[in-house]
Amino acid sequence: EPEVTQTPSHQVTQMGQEVILRCVPISNHLYFYWYRQILGQKVEFLVSFYNNEISEKSEIFDDQFSVERPDGSNFTLKIRSTKLEDSAMYFCASRDRTAGRGYTFGSGTRLTVV
Amino acid sequence: QKEVEQDPGPLSVPEGAIVSLNCTYSNSAFQYFMWYRQYSRKGPELLMYTYSSGNKEDGRFTAQVDKSSKYISLFIRDSQPSDSATYLCAMNPVGGSQGNLIFGKGTKLSVKP
Repeated sequence: EPEVTQTPSHQVTQMGQEVILRCVPISNHLYFYWYRQILGQKVEFLVSFYNNEISEKSEIFDDQFSVERPDGSNFTLKIRSTKLEDSAMYFCASRDRTAGRGYTFGSGTRLTVV
Repeated sequence: QKEVEQDPGPLSVPEGAIVSLNCTYSNSAFQYFMWYRQYSRKGPELLMYTYSSGNKEDGRFTAQVDKSSKYISLFIRDSQPSDSATYLCAMNPVGGSQGNLIFGKGTKLSVKP
């Protein structure tokens, strides 16, 4: 079964530091997403990425966030200057061209900002 | 009114019971409806998806969508302890090729042996 791979599984960083969360989506998927889940809260959409550009972003995805697909396999989320409230599980997801098949999520990166 | 409402539970049932999980929503533009299962500290795992109104069955799982009532359900027959997890409903507000998912808060289910 193809899967979405995320690294690291857990990252601890100091407030104000930059972090990069990494994802390897499923190889034939075309649409890529980042979601986050603050402990005890809903899974929230951050950004979608298609054809090498951002196609949609939420209010959460402000100037401190950026995404990149630097090569044919990796998809990264960068948080420039982390805040305590950025502590959450960050999930990468991907899907194929067929709308409605649902997204395949990775196991997530737990980000702890101290 | 929140876009997607889901009773967080927790819901505890004996093994073998039929489980009914539900979500209501307010946005009539939603067209794709999904159920995800999430184990603790893991990513959501797609269980079922449906398009528009109707029923869909997959093994012990049945998903129902009633767009007129803005209400979706997931039924689990012959529930097993391994079904113990948090179940998330999710919806796509755009029926085309792009779009983000709006999630419910999740219902925590515990199936007791």
